[in-house]
Amino acid sequence: EADIYQTPRYLVIGTGKKITLECSQTMGHDKMYWYQQDPGMELHLIHYSYGVNSTEKGDLSSESTVSRIRTEHFPLTLESARPSHTSQYLCASSESRQMGRISTDTQYFGPGTRLTVL
Amino acid sequence: GDSVTQMEGPVTLSEEAFLTINCTYTATGYPSLFWYVQYPGEGLQLLLKATKADDKGSNKGFEATYRKETTSFHLEKGSVQVSDSAVYFCAGGGANNLFFGTGTRLTVIP
Repeated sequence: EADIYQTPRYLVIGTGKKITLECSQTMGHDKMYWYQQDPGMELHLIHYSYGVNSTEKGDLSSESTVSRIRTEHFPLTLESARPSHTSQYLCASSESRQMGRISTDTQYFGPGTRLTVL
Repeated sequence: GDSVTQMEGPVTLSEEAFLTINCTYTATGYPSLFWYVQYPGEGLQLLLKATKADDKGSNKGFEATYRKETTSFHLEKGSVQVSDSAVYFCAGGGANNLFFGTGTRLTVIP
């Protein structure tokens, strides 16, 4: 099991503020991910990283940015928060495992950050 | 593209009832399949997984079997408890990203 941490757990801020959501994992996983979860529960991948200095945009367009300077750390930044950014943000990490011809990644999730922008 | 389709909820059951949540997948290859559970106010927790056809994943009384012929990975539990109330996500993936179902909310009443 991975130990993966997110801070803050809850954040209420005003429109226009710059915020950074923190995500750290202690298992040395090479891959990390950010998901946005809407009130209907569906998960949308917004960013991922396959290693240090590697970041990619996910399936859902997001105004946020990410960085991966250290293996264990994958922060997400919103330069100017808006009410439309109100959501639950989930961070995950995984390590590639090869089992014969099968490559399988098991993702482990942090507890999430619930962001409310007023 | 690759995807999973899972049974829409919400599902409400009485304690000790039998649970089935259906999940089918569409993929070009042979994805690993997962069930995750999300309790209120928390992130997703891995419940069980299977990496190849006919594999059975099991944990905490939950089971799911990877059925290649029906492209399915249905979640079952013989006797649910109030503490099983949560949202359940089916997911699939390989070496790259996972694709998630939309989630099924389960409520178990005493």
